[in-house]
Amino acid sequence: GDSVTQMEGPVTLSEEAFLTINCTYTATGYPSLFWYVQYPGEGLQLLLKATKADDKGSNKGFEATYRKETTSFHLEKGSVQVSDSAVYFCALERDSGGSNYKLTFGKGTLLTVNP
Amino acid sequence: NAGVMQNPRHLVRRRGQEARLRCSPMKGHSHVYWYRQLPEEGLKFMVYLQKENIIDESGMPKERFSAEFPKEGPSILRIQQVVRGDSAAYFCASSPAQSNTGELFFGEGSRLTVL
Repeated sequence: GDSVTQMEGPVTLSEEAFLTINCTYTATGYPSLFWYVQYPGEGLQLLLKATKADDKGSNKGFEATYRKETTSFHLEKGSVQVSDSAVYFCALERDSGGSNYKLTFGKGTLLTVNP
Repeated sequence: NAGVMQNPRHLVRRRGQEARLRCSPMKGHSHVYWYRQLPEEGLKFMVYLQKENIIDESGMPKERFSAEFPKEGPSILRIQQVVRGDSAAYFCASSPAQSNTGELFFGEGSRLTVL
């Protein structure tokens, strides 16, 4: 079945450091790919998404490129801030008849950014 | 503008007891989804409901689990005769209509511990 594997955490960085959180997936067909973020005390919220190969999703300085050849969707940010401290979830959705709500998530990666 | 509200945030039950988890969707949202995150795993889809209707329960365990979203009041996820394997974080999400983009708005989750 479908699965998402993401980098084990926790990840601890200093402010302004470069961030990469790796995500690879297993799925048949052409899934849509997502990164969700959960800030402390809040629910998960969509950060960015890509729906087809070579698409780049971007938001709030974060980017991820849909790489079908390596089945990956790594999350990157050039300069992290303390406010980026959160849990990041990679997810996929394999469209089956319009039911775009059955997301398959990775375990989540806790990021802590120190001043 | 309140987000998705879940309660209780933490619930402890002994084996054989019942657990009830509540979810109030975001204002203006009429579609509710429940996900479960078992220890060391990613979130997994359980059930999708609209007011007074279960649309898709393909991810629900066949026994002991039920969900409802009445005309008035919050959505309820009910687990009867809980077992230790039910210990998990249960996340509720909502959307204004059936999600065709993969964007769901999640609550903070309810953490169930079965002793």
